[in-house]
Amino acid sequence: DIVMTQTPLSSPVTLGQPASISCRSSQSLVHSDGNTYLSWLQQRPGQPPRLLIYKISNRFSGVPDRFSGSGAGTDFTLKISRVEAEDVGVYYCMQVTQYPLTFGGGTKVEIK
Amino acid sequence: EVQLVESGGGLVQPGRSLRLTCAASGFTFNDYAMHWVRQAPGKGLEWVSGISWKSANIGYADSVKGRFTISRDNAKNSLYLQMNSLRAEDTALYYCAKDLSGTFDTWGRGTMVTVSS
Repeated sequence: DIVMTQTPLSSPVTLGQPASISCRSSQSLVHSDGNTYLSWLQQRPGQPPRLLIYKISNRFSGVPDRFSGSGAGTDFTLKISRVEAEDVGVYYCMQVTQYPLTFGGGTKVEIK
Repeated sequence: EVQLVESGGGLVQPGRSLRLTCAASGFTFNDYAMHWVRQAPGKGLEWVSGISWKSANIGYADSVKGRFTISRDNAKNSLYLQMNSLRAEDTALYYCAKDLSGTFDTWGRGTMVTVSS
């Protein structure tokens, strides 16, 4: 199984400042079709997960442009350029390259 | 509006069975693969099972293989999860999610399953 490791576990951030979350996979997420099925999800308190980024760096419809994704192979990063109060929650990376699908353990973003 | 609504959760004794349903609307259900994902109280997300649009390709997490069965009825725009031999560690909020070509773009609000005597 592909293990997804996220760091940090928690990220206290000042409003308006940037935040960065790292996700590392135990093996390459490049699919045989050439795509890399790495997504980022946001889960606000009491809410279901919400898709932010798919295939490493593609922002989903309606997602603010302060969110960006990057990386390749086994190392990926989610960046929030300027954290806003509504960004508080837990962020998960997930891979859909290979069964069983797996999630990172989550990174909690909170305001300092 | 694209919508997924889960139902069928509840309190069940260990060893018993439960069937979850996910009702889909607002999109052409039989064009998409679908998945179940669960979240134990206070914990992270765990993929449970997935099924392709024509049910030809099905996958399960090791933790539920042999006990849970995923299925779908495209005529009824519905996804199902038959859960047998339930254990305390299956206690979780169960979400269904729509697979948009390798990402989960739509999630339901979940249905809670509690396994306890």
